[in-house]
Amino acid sequence: EAGVAQSPRYKIIEKRQSVAFWCNPISGHATLYWYQQILGQGPKLLIQFQNNGVVDDSQLPKDRFSAERLKGVDSTLKIQPAKLEDSAVYLCVAGIGRRSTEAFFGQGTRLTVV
Amino acid sequence: AQSVAQPEDQVNVAEGNPLTVKCTYSVSGNPYLFWYVQYPNRGLQFLLKYITGDNLVKGSYGFEAEFNKSQTSFHLKKPSALVSDSALYFCAVRVWRGGKLIFGQGTELSVKP
Repeated sequence: EAGVAQSPRYKIIEKRQSVAFWCNPISGHATLYWYQQILGQGPKLLIQFQNNGVVDDSQLPKDRFSAERLKGVDSTLKIQPAKLEDSAVYLCVAGIGRRSTEAFFGQGTRLTVV
Repeated sequence: AQSVAQPEDQVNVAEGNPLTVKCTYSVSGNPYLFWYVQYPNRGLQFLLKYITGDNLVKGSYGFEAEFNKSQTSFHLKKPSALVSDSALYFCAVRVWRGGKLIFGQGTELSVKP
């Protein structure tokens, strides 16, 4: 099964606090993406990993967002400190590799910053 | 720069009527095109994709989409809409097989009985 698990499903924090999200794809997904989906908008790419390495992080607000991928499998996305405008769903998407067109979506983590 | 546009924020259709949700794209190279649907409080679900071959692609739940290279469009269609089709629809494009998905801003489809 080519699943992508994300945790937590929901998170509410106050502004200026820190938060971390986890993504656990089934082993074998070489490519992993984090997307941010603000309510009513399309998902926007934050960062793309190929195995352990970062392929594209041009849209990641690096002053407050960071991400890593451990051993080419699991990944974490962190926000520190959070702002109100970070309220969104954070999607983890995995792909089997460069030759595949398939993309597997996690259910997302809904973050509310108050 | 690669981009996807969905010119309509909302499409309203009566149940039983045909529906069209529009999508145009701008990429360099051959595009891989996708449609996803999102129901309230649910994750994105894959509907269909165009990679190569026939311009008319059939997908889940009776949806189909037509790839038009000259018009750089990939409109989503269904011959007879259902109330249960009401949802948010996203068009997306990939420039190469393993590349990032670039999403449109979404179109809210409302099907009334």
